[in-house]
Amino acid sequence: DIQMTQSPSSLSASVGDRVTITCQASQDIDNYLNWYQQKPGKAPKLLIHDASNLETGVPSRFSGSGSGTDFSFTISSLQPEDIATYYCQQYENIPLTFGGGTKVEIK
Amino acid sequence: QVQLQESGPGLVKPSQTLSLTCTVSGGSINSDGYYWTWIRQHPGKGLEWIGYIYYSGSTHYNPSLKSLVTISLGTSKNQFSLKLTSVTAADTAVYYCARGDKGIVYDWGQGTLVTVSS
Repeated sequence: DIQMTQSPSSLSASVGDRVTITCQASQDIDNYLNWYQQKPGKAPKLLIHDASNLETGVPSRFSGSGSGTDFSFTISSLQPEDIATYYCQQYENIPLTFGGGTKVEIK
Repeated sequence: QVQLQESGPGLVKPSQTLSLTCTVSGGSINSDGYYWTWIRQHPGKGLEWIGYIYYSGSTHYNPSLKSLVTISLGTSKNQFSLKLTSVTAADTAVYYCARGDKGIVYDWGQGTLVTVSS
């Protein structure tokens, strides 16, 4: 299985801050990398697919980059409604695998 | 806008079979070319892909569960289902059904908690 390592596991930032999460794959996954947002008690929601493609309707403050084994996800200006856990997920190989998640809180 | 809704028992006894159904509205599971997916989330933990079934009926499962899992399409309704045999307490989780394009999971059900306990 391809292991996905996310960091940090949690972070606390102020409204308006720039927030960056990293995700490292245990082997080359090209750009087969997605990012999801999960709010408490809710199902995950797709934000970014194929490393950098913003899903329709997702605010432009969210962005993703990277290829190969190293990826990053950025919130350019953290908003109160962004409080959630964020997951990366690869689909270069089966089984699809997710990172451990990054819990984002407001300072 | 497609919607997915999981249904099934919330409590299953150890060694028995967990059976869940996902009802899809706003889209046809037999003609849309999507991958109909099951994912679970252990309490307070991350996400685990269980497997998916293509609209044609071909399946792919997580090798860690492969011998225990069956995903199938509904015969007469716009549904697909999950069966997980010989469950243990480790199978206690929120189970999500979802629609994807192979590796991208676009639409999710709200999830259903299944507890394995005697």
